[in-house]
Amino acid sequence: QVHLQESGPGLVKASETLSLICSVSGVSINNYYWSWVRQSAGKGLEWIGRLFSSGRIDYNASLRGRVTMSLDTSKNQFSLKLTSVTAADTATYYCVRDGGWFDPWGQGILVTVSS
Amino acid sequence: DIQMTQSPSSLSASVGDRVTITCRASQGIRSYVNWYQQRPGEAPNLLIYTASNLKSGVPSRFSGSGSGTDFTLTINTLQPEDFATYYCQQSYGLYRTFGQGTQVDVK
Repeated sequence: QVHLQESGPGLVKASETLSLICSVSGVSINNYYWSWVRQSAGKGLEWIGRLFSSGRIDYNASLRGRVTMSLDTSKNQFSLKLTSVTAADTATYYCVRDGGWFDPWGQGILVTVSS
Repeated sequence: DIQMTQSPSSLSASVGDRVTITCRASQGIRSYVNWYQQRPGEAPNLLIYTASNLKSGVPSRFSGSGSGTDFTLTINTLQPEDFATYYCQQSYGLYRTFGQGTQVDVK
């Protein structure tokens, strides 16, 4: 059974960098697309971007320039970095396997941006 | 980006009711729509993929239909555990987008 688990700080200061890791178990991260999705009260569910083991990465245009995603195949993990965060980046962040549809989802991690 | 518009944004129903939620895409997206259920405090959970395919393990009272721009999620014989928020999501465009959600609560 495929299981995803997000980890990282739950509190980030404004203007700093949000960094999260998704640990994948039950399947190799090779040969799949993986995405990050976030959910905030104001904007609902928002796709952040996706990456593939080949190196292909696609980012949501609204976040391009601030977001970086990467894979660590040796640890079966992938990561998200979002720079220059503001209060608008406060959200629950989910990592998901992306087959077009998102399944499964991690349990999510709430990240609050403080001033 | 492809916009997904769900309706209604909320509805009240009773156990045993039939519930229908619609999702309209801003352009034709063939059958590339997926549906999720989210209960409070939980991550979304896939119900239906590519418009009408039921994920393994999801009860058969859930069904999806549609193609092009108009899609429907139907819940037949609503059960207590079905009171939740439902989202559509398109996977036609490079950038994935979601509907704003439909909250189903107790009448």
